[in-house]
Amino acid sequence: SQTIHQWPATLVQPVGSPLSLECTVEGTSNPNLYWYRQAAGRGLQLLFYSVGIGQISSEVPQNLSASRPQDRQFILSSKKLLLSDSGFYLCAWNPGHPSSGNTIYFGEGSWLTVV
Amino acid sequence: AQTVTQSQPEMSVQEAETVTLSCTYDTSENNYYLFWYKQPPSRQMILVIRQEAYKQQNATENRFSVNFQKAAKSFSLKISDSQLGDTAMYFCAFTDNAGNMLTFGGGTRLMVKP
Repeated sequence: SQTIHQWPATLVQPVGSPLSLECTVEGTSNPNLYWYRQAAGRGLQLLFYSVGIGQISSEVPQNLSASRPQDRQFILSSKKLLLSDSGFYLCAWNPGHPSSGNTIYFGEGSWLTVV
Repeated sequence: AQTVTQSQPEMSVQEAETVTLSCTYDTSENNYYLFWYKQPPSRQMILVIRQEAYKQQNATENRFSVNFQKAAKSFSLKISDSQLGDTAMYFCAFTDNAGNMLTFGGGTRLMVKP
């Protein structure tokens, strides 16, 4: 069966410090991968998605970036964090073909607090 | 661009009763998929139910069912025999046939009262 893991679960970072959140999917190949952000008490905002290695689409221009160095690995990064980057970050995946019903599955999430 | 609207920010229901959460969406597509996700206090997003737009029959998963009205672009979630564990944020979501992106509504916070 397929599983998705992301880490770290919680982190507190000072303003101006770098960020790296990592996500891996097991039990599937060539998945679509996503990074979402959820601000406190609000809905989910799509940040990046990837349909293959090295293929990254950005939905929201900001100081975050994403990379997909391997088929089932998706990394969210920042060189210098801002206070407004605080939030709950969710990695997600789907098999990338309509026979799956296009269902997107989510990881456990990462809480980021920028201080 | 697709939009998803949940007009009820908060709702409450007594345990064992039935509650319906509303969702409307806007799209020019004919084939697409609709979802309800549950987000409990742990913050993990859990798939509750899925509906393919080309299917006229409403989806059902145990105590959860939907009322899908394609012409009206409405997709409500009915929870029967509500349980305390149903307390959570509920998000309605849409994806097109290609399934490359999921668009979420703003969420409805549901409180099940004992």
